[in-house]
Amino acid sequence: DTVLTQSPALAVSPGERVTISCRASESVSTLMHWYQQKPGQQPKLLIYKASNLASGVPARFSGSGSGTDFTFTIDPVEADDIATYYCHQSWNSPYTFGAGTKLELK
Amino acid sequence: QIQLVQSGPELKKPGESVKISCKASGYTFTDYAMHWVKQAPGKGLKWMGWINTYTGKPTYADDFKGRFVFSLEASASTANLQISNLKNEDTATYFCANGTWELLDYWGQGVMVTVSS
Repeated sequence: DTVLTQSPALAVSPGERVTISCRASESVSTLMHWYQQKPGQQPKLLIYKASNLASGVPARFSGSGSGTDFTFTIDPVEADDIATYYCHQSWNSPYTFGAGTKLELK
Repeated sequence: QIQLVQSGPELKKPGESVKISCKASGYTFTDYAMHWVKQAPGKGLKWMGWINTYTGKPTYADDFKGRFVFSLEASASTANLQISNLKNEDTATYFCANGTWELLDYWGQGVMVTVSS
């Protein structure tokens, strides 16, 4: 299975720029997507196919990358962005998710 | 607007079966695939597979072959997940999510299934 490696946690202050990386154990082309999950809620799609902003998502969120290395950026961070962020690939079966990066307030 | 409304929480004993539902609204049900995702308590997300809502053909990830069945009630715009011979490790929240075969777009609110003797 394709393993997606994310940093486990990051501490940020509102107004800062934060970047989350996701490295795949094998190429996933550009079929990498990013989700936000707040406690007790379902995941929400933010970025699809590496760099495309999902409908209704603020332009503070962005993504880039291809192959095995991807980044997800929030600039600037707002207090409401405190959540866990998952990368997810759908190029190789079975589809897999990263373990999640928990964004915390400094 | 697109909505996926899932059935309520379930408490089951080991060996029993459970069927959870996901009712879609706000779009043509057969235009989009339906995926299923498992999230154990305090853990990450695990993709279980998807069902082609137009043909009814399911695709299962290897870890979910055998006791797990995806089905449809297309006339009711509803997708179902049935789990048989429940085990303690099936305790989790199960999400449905619609989209294309390669993208999970809108998600249901999740169903907590607890397996305990």
